[in-house]
Amino acid sequence: KAGVTQTPRYLIKTRGQQVTLSCSPISGHRSVSWYQQTPGQGLQFLFEYFSETQRNKGNFPGRFSGRQFSNSRSEMNVSTLELGDSALYLCASSLESTGANVLTFGAGSRLTVL
Amino acid sequence: AQSVAQPEDQVNVAEGNPLTVKCTYSVSGNPYLFWYVQYPNRGLQFLLKYITGDNLVKGSYGFEAEFNKSQTSFHLKKPSALVSDSALYFCAVRDIPAYNTDKLIFGTGTRLQVFP
Repeated sequence: KAGVTQTPRYLIKTRGQQVTLSCSPISGHRSVSWYQQTPGQGLQFLFEYFSETQRNKGNFPGRFSGRQFSNSRSEMNVSTLELGDSALYLCASSLESTGANVLTFGAGSRLTVL
Repeated sequence: AQSVAQPEDQVNVAEGNPLTVKCTYSVSGNPYLFWYVQYPNRGLQFLLKYITGDNLVKGSYGFEAEFNKSQTSFHLKKPSALVSDSALYFCAVRDIPAYNTDKLIFGTGTRLQVFP
């Protein structure tokens, strides 16, 4: 059973650019959530999607957005990149958002903003 | 608001010795608690969870955790540490389990170093 796949694994952008990250959940999983991991702020919740609907959103500026497609694949976009957006972006999936489900994480997309 | 605290940035232990990684929580209602481990350049891997029931939870790779309601703690333990256990460990609590959400609130992480 394939795990959660995130692409690209590594990318370098410059300030002001925009980036799109992709996440393919485990087959059959309908819930996808995104987290940002930085040395200073740790792991912070970005957003959560279930059946193409955003269920929850973290405390991030509007430059951060996401969506989920009918096949449960998800993308997140960051516009007008800032140096502070450099981070490991982690996607996780679960069967459904019941609170007790285990999240399965992908390996992450490491974004460097120069 | 739900929160977890990991008071130790790093824990050092000799191989073969028991290890403990500490976690305390602050929640409204009953907590849903999780432990994850992160190896270099990898995502997070699930170790174990406490939802309800027995206070001693057994998980992957020989790890276990004890839920203590009176001390609001959920410490991760292993009877005999391996060098390969060296990694970054995160405690997490589900945010407001009263409604359906996958949102986790993570602690700051504890780096475990196991020395040969």
